[in-house]
This record gives sequence, C-alpha cells and structure tokens, in this order.
Amino acid sequence: DAGVIQSPRHEVTEMGQEVTLRCKPISGHDYLFWYRQTMMRGLELLIYFNNNVPIDDSGMPEDRFSAKMPNASFSTLKIQPSEPRDSAVYFCASSLSRGGDRNQPQHFGDGTRLSIL
Amino acid sequence: EDQVTQSPEALRLQEGESSSLNCSYTVSGLRGLFWYRQDPGKGPEFLFTLYSAGEEKEKERLKATLTKKESFLHITAPKPEDSATYLCAVQVVGTASKLTFGTGTRLQVTL
Repeated sequence: DAGVIQSPRHEVTEMGQEVTLRCKPISGHDYLFWYRQTMMRGLELLIYFNNNVPIDDSGMPEDRFSAKMPNASFSTLKIQPSEPRDSAVYFCASSLSRGGDRNQPQHFGDGTRLSIL
Repeated sequence: EDQVTQSPEALRLQEGESSSLNCSYTVSGLRGLFWYRQDPGKGPEFLFTLYSAGEEKEKERLKATLTKKESFLHITAPKPEDSATYLCAVQVVGTASKLTFGTGTRLQVTL
C-alpha cells in the first residue's frame, strides 16, 4: 500500500519567496497533520484536519503560514513570504479515526527538507 | 501544559548490550502513548501504542511498558540495525487526535 507521499523532498529558495509543500495522505484516512521538525524544538504540530476541515491551527507560527485541504487526497502548506528561520523538515502524517477511545496511529511521509537562504 | 521528556538524549550501546529508554509525561489525562522510530532522512515509523498503566507491547527486540508517569522502551540484545532516533508521543483526552512529541533518544548500536 502506498504510504503518505510528500513533495518536493528538498526545497532550497531565497528569503521572501513563496514556498508550497504538498501532501497526499493514505487513501481512506480522515485525519491529516502537518508537523515541523528542527534540532532545537523537535517535532511540532502545526495544524491538523479532519474530513478536510481544519480542526486546530494553534501551532501555525504566524500569518505567513497557511494550509489547505481541498479534497481528501491532497493538502498544501504554504509559506509566504519565507524567512531563513523557516528552514526545517516539514512532515505530513495521516490517520484513521476508529471512534471510541482508541485511535489508529499516525503514519508519516518522509518529509520535505526546506532551506531558506 | 502537557509535557513529554525523553532520556537519555543519546545512547551508545554495543551489540547485545540491553538497555532502556525513558519517556516521562505530565498530562491532564492520557488517552494513549505512542512510540515511533525515526531513521535519518525518513519520517517517524510507528512502533507501539499503550493505553493504560501496566500495559506492555513487544516487537522483536523491543518491549514497551507504561506506568502512570512514564513509559520505557526496553531493547534486548540490540543489533546495529536498531540504531535510530526513538520518539515517544502522548495523546491527551479532549484534544482529539493531536500528538505531543518528546525530543527523542538517539540510539547507536555498534559491533
């Protein structure tokens, strides 16, 4: 089965440019998560969606960051304008809710390594 | 505020030398504790979920246990291919499917 697919795998761009990261979740999963990973802060949740609707965006660092999920098989994370401090690895994950108290685990893509010069 | 602390930050073992990784948590109400393995350049890979104190899960050389304050990942007779960063994460009651991660333990197993 195909896992979570992210693109691009690497992105290098100059400060001020718009950056768009893409994610295709596992088919049938109804939750989608965007994380950022840095050496200093580890893995941080930015935003997550349930059935394509944003549920919690409290982790989005500032208004320069936005995320959309136009359909069940695609999501984007956009940074505009980008800054050097946005350099990190960005992960997308998806999971399937099962109801009750026991959720299925989140499955992660291999991330996008973003470098802002 | 929910907190997850992992120790040690890094651990170097010789092949066959068993040890344990620790994940301490402070949360308002635990819904589940998750262990992941992350290899360089890859996303975290799910290992285990634990839901209640006293629960244990095993997979090959790994065994995860849970108490009301912490979880341990025991590695028995590790091999070099067990080298990775091990992450734990908690899911808290009332926060839907949100996970809060610790900063991980980098494990290196040498011959």
